[in-house]
Amino acid sequence: EIVLTQSPGTLSLSPGERATLSCRASQSVTNSFLAWYQQKPGQAPRLLIYGASSRATGIPDRFSGSGSGTDFTLTISRLEPEDFAVYYCHQYAGSPPLTFGGGTKVEIK
Amino acid sequence: QVQLVQSGPEAKKPGASVKVSCKTSGYTFMSYGINWVRQAPGQGPEWMGWISTYNGNTNYAQKFQGRVAMTTDTSTSTVYMELRSLRSDDTAVYFCARGGMLAFGGVRMDVWGQGTTVTVSS
Repeated sequence: EIVLTQSPGTLSLSPGERATLSCRASQSVTNSFLAWYQQKPGQAPRLLIYGASSRATGIPDRFSGSGSGTDFTLTISRLEPEDFAVYYCHQYAGSPPLTFGGGTKVEIK
Repeated sequence: QVQLVQSGPEAKKPGASVKVSCKTSGYTFMSYGINWVRQAPGQGPEWMGWISTYNGNTNYAQKFQGRVAMTTDTSTSTVYMELRSLRSDDTAVYFCARGGMLAFGGVRMDVWGQGTTVTVSS
């Protein structure tokens, strides 16, 4: 099983600041099958990034993903008020189970 | 537009079973499989398994094998997830999410249902 460890657990930032979220995998993620999701209270996760660096349909370009192998990063270049939420990384490579990280909460400072 | 609409909240006693539905619309049903993901209160998501709407193949997470069953109804473009022998730690929000047609791996979950709250309590 691929374990995903996200850091930090909580990120306290102000609107307009840059957010950098990390996701480390316990083993290499095949073909960079790594996605990032945003989740707000009472809502389903929303796909932001897939394939480590491709933005999903309708996602603003302030969201970007990078990385390969075992180390991945989600960057939000300038935080908007609606970006304060919990973010999860997720690997969807071929070996079961598919797994998610524990999440990073981005909160208003 | 593409939508996955799930059934309503459920309250069950320990030892009972629950069956959650996920009705799809806005795309060709058999072109995408469906994953089931659950999220316990305050926790991250947990993948439960996947079903191919094309051929009915399934792949369940080992943790749920023997207790979960995923089925499809092509006449109504609906997928079902049944979880048996419920325990209090099965209390969670259960989501369906669109995924791969012939395999669970390699395809992102791009569209999600709204979630179904299942509460297990005596």
